[in-house]
Amino acid sequence: KQEVTQIPAALSVPEGENLVLNCSFTDSAIYNLQWFRQDPGKGLTSLLLIQSSQREQTSGRLNASLDKSSGRSTLYIAASQPGDSATYLCAVMDDYKLSFGAGTTVTVRA
Amino acid sequence: NAGVTQTPKFRVLKTGQSMTLLCAQDMNHEYMYWYRQDPGMGLRLIHYSVGEGTTAKGEVPDGYNVSRLKKQNFLLGLESAAPSQTSVYFCASSYSRLAGGPRTDTQYFGPGTRLTVL
Repeated sequence: KQEVTQIPAALSVPEGENLVLNCSFTDSAIYNLQWFRQDPGKGLTSLLLIQSSQREQTSGRLNASLDKSSGRSTLYIAASQPGDSATYLCAVMDDYKLSFGAGTTVTVRA
Repeated sequence: NAGVTQTPKFRVLKTGQSMTLLCAQDMNHEYMYWYRQDPGMGLRLIHYSVGEGTTAKGEVPDGYNVSRLKKQNFLLGLESAAPSQTSVYFCASSYSRLAGGPRTDTQYFGPGTRLTVL
């Protein structure tokens, strides 16, 4: 059974600092890894999807890396802004199903 | 495009009552999913469907039933609600090209249904 862990559970940084969010998974036989953002009381919004054959994906200030052999992914958010405050969830896909981590709640202080 | 919509947004049930949650997507997606989200536990898959007329069990299927009679709709039923089913329920859909072309597995989520069982 796939287990996905996100550390830390919560993070508070001053505006402008770079954010580093970690995700680890136990079974490396994945099809892809996805990062989502969730605002309070809202659904999930997809941020980045990395196929198992890829090492990283970038979108604007966001960069996600994947090391499948070690079961790890890292989401980098450059020059954080108060609008980046949210919960970030990592999920791995195998056999058309996603397994989610519990998320990291980020607060960016103005 | 409305994307993925869920009905209702909020519901309060008494133990033993039944209800159906409706999920609809207008993106012609093949796959649809039902998750529940509980504090500190992330999202857990209840049931999913890889096409019209098909359903499969996820991680936590007990106490729930589903149906996918039309491609755009995925229904989640609670036959006899229990307090342990108090949660936020999310529906999602994704598209996978079965023949040729690149595969796309990004999941699109609905806004959620907040269910309380007393």
